[in-house]
Amino acid sequence: EVQLVESGGGLVKPGGSLRLSCTASGIDFNTAWMTWVRQAPGKGVEWVGRIKSRPFGGTADYAAPVTGRFSISRDDSKNTVYLQMDSLKTEDTAVYYCAKDVPWTGGALTYWGQGTQVTVSS
Amino acid sequence: DIVMTQSPDSLAVSLGERATINCKSSQSVFSTSRNKNFLAWYQHKAGQPPKLLIYWASTRDSGVPDRFSGSGSGTDFALTISSLQAEDVGVYYCQSHFDTPQTFGQGTKLEIK
Repeated sequence: EVQLVESGGGLVKPGGSLRLSCTASGIDFNTAWMTWVRQAPGKGVEWVGRIKSRPFGGTADYAAPVTGRFSISRDDSKNTVYLQMDSLKTEDTAVYYCAKDVPWTGGALTYWGQGTQVTVSS
Repeated sequence: DIVMTQSPDSLAVSLGERATINCKSSQSVFSTSRNKNFLAWYQHKAGQPPKLLIYWASTRDSGVPDRFSGSGSGTDFALTISSLQAEDVGVYYCQSHFDTPQTFGQGTKLEIK
């Protein structure tokens, strides 16, 4: 059974930093491309970024609102992907999900974690 | 970046009736090399993560009831629920999974009339 479990959410002041983790089980993590998606209160879901697997370079792409402030990394030995969030703004308040596609969906996100709440407030 | 625009923003349909949600992309999501439209639909219920319903514009994910169907190509797509059930209430999103950023539409809230 595939499981994605996010952790690391919490309350942080504007300008602060937070690192989220997503630990996967039941998948070949070494070949997994991992995605972060968020949902702010009362808003729709928003794609945050994605990191490719190491055989494809292990590089990450980001949505415009977080470029330069967020970074995604991975530790394949721990089956874990990270979302480092710096210079946080109140508008970054959201539930953050990690998600993963499967090869036959061409990038559509089949597996999702339950999400972790991030609140940016003074 | 591709912009995805859904219509309507909200929709109320009677049980057993048809519901249709539209999605328009600002540029084509059709891949000539793959001969596929990189368009997905998700259902999102409160307190749960989104659930993939449709990918490649018209392929139902495993376990998705056949009352859900996707159609369209290029820039114009639709999700149709042929006979609305009570458990179908939620917010529906289209997403371009063509390339990054993999933009979502703004969402369509589906309710029972």
